Amino acid sequence: EVQLAESGGGSVQPGGSLRLSCVASGFTFNSFGMNWVRQAPGKGLEWVAHISLSSSIIYYADSVNGRFTVSRDNAKNSVYLQMNSLRAEDTAVYYCTRAKGGLIYHFDYWGQGAPVTVSS
Amino acid sequence: QSVLTQPPSVSGAPGQRITISCTGTSSNIGAGYDVNWYQHLSGRTPKLLIFGNNNRPSGVPDRFSGTKSGTSASLVISGLQADDEADYYCQSYDSSLSGPYVFGTGTKVTV
Repeated sequence: EVQLAESGGGSVQPGGSLRLSCVASGFTFNSFGMNWVRQAPGKGLEWVAHISLSSSIIYYADSVNGRFTVSRDNAKNSVYLQMNSLRAEDTAVYYCTRAKGGLIYHFDYWGQGAPVTVSS
Repeated sequence: QSVLTQPPSVSGAPGQRITISCTGTSSNIGAGYDVNWYQHLSGRTPKLLIFGNNNRPSGVPDRFSGTKSGTSASLVISGLQADDEADYYCQSYDSSLSGPYVFGTGTKVTV
């Protein structure tokens, strides 16, 4: 059974940092790209970042580019999201998702989500 | 603001057929990129409903179907049921963006 488990969420002040982790199980982790998707309170889903299976291709949404860094450790079946210079508008539930397909990935499995609150 | 536009809400009676539209541009849906659809029930994790325009993952009822034409795509729910009440999002790829994966604005379905 495919499972994705996020951790590392919490509360932080504006300008602070937080690192989210996602541990995967039930599939061959190094055969899939991974993504982070978030949902702010009362808002829709927003794609945040993508990392390819070998980390050779990385994309970010404009809203987080330069502040967030996605990485993965295939030996640990894990993907990470380092979030720096956090802003109030980064407050959201962050989902780790598996990417399947070719160029046009679809997100076939999702974690339960890690809540992040940025507030003073 | 997303480059994929959906109606904020759609409603229907049990048993009815509803359609949710997803309108894009020539740099995403109109460029031929596939459209995927997700269902997000309140308090739950989003669920993949349709991938590659019109393919259902295992376990998704055939009441859900997808179509694509030109710069738009649609999700059709037939035989509407009470537990279909959720938020629905389209998703695709946009070649004009540095971060190319995009979700639609979302549609709240009320039964």
